[in-house]
Amino acid sequence: QSALTQPASVAGSPGQSITISCSGSSNDVGGYNYVSWYQQHSGRAPKVLIYDVDDRPSGVSNRFSGSKSGNTASLTISGLQAEDEADYYCSSYTSSSTVVFGGGTKLTVL
Amino acid sequence: EVQLVESGGGLVQPGGSLRLSCEASGFTFNTYAMTWVRQAPGKGLDWVASITYSDSDTFYADSVKGRFTISRDNSKNTLYLQMNTLRAEDTAVYYCAKRIVLSPWAFDSWGQGALVTVSS
Repeated sequence: QSALTQPASVAGSPGQSITISCSGSSNDVGGYNYVSWYQQHSGRAPKVLIYDVDDRPSGVSNRFSGSKSGNTASLTISGLQAEDEADYYCSSYTSSSTVVFGGGTKLTVL
Repeated sequence: EVQLVESGGGLVQPGGSLRLSCEASGFTFNTYAMTWVRQAPGKGLDWVASITYSDSDTFYADSVKGRFTISRDNSKNTLYLQMNTLRAEDTAVYYCAKRIVLSPWAFDSWGQGALVTVSS
């Protein structure tokens, strides 16, 4: 199972919005509404931001939102803040009853 | 408060074995599926294996199938990962994670991780 495709890095200024894409196939992202997004600060465990494409766990800021079109999912962060600087990973359930992660995207807040 | 505490990591030679444990507290362990995810140094997240709440079903990444075994002891609130025939590419921090209540394939609580180093 190949990793989902994410851009290696994105950058934005405080207050701006950025979008991170996550491309897969009909066997994963496109076939199921089980796409999740995780934030990981350096040296820390991951934190779930979005599950089931566009649902947000309680306690997660509404500045984080998710969507999906075809085989590509997206995470949008609005009102960028310094503390958003971290690595972001998407994941999806697959037709093989496994989970696949994206390669990760490093977000830099300028 | 949900707590997941991994233990059992360390240095092992290629071809060797190691068993990781993850002790859970703060939630009803026997009602949640659990998962192991690993992260090689400087690399991304890599799903390893998952197990249903009742231990009735297990799921594995192709890279570990036949070598790793996920199991749980609900009487001890503990998740395990038995790792055999270890390879250098298995070197990683191994996290245990709890399924989020509202989705079967998202994980809302993670341990601090256990470092496994496979090297001669």
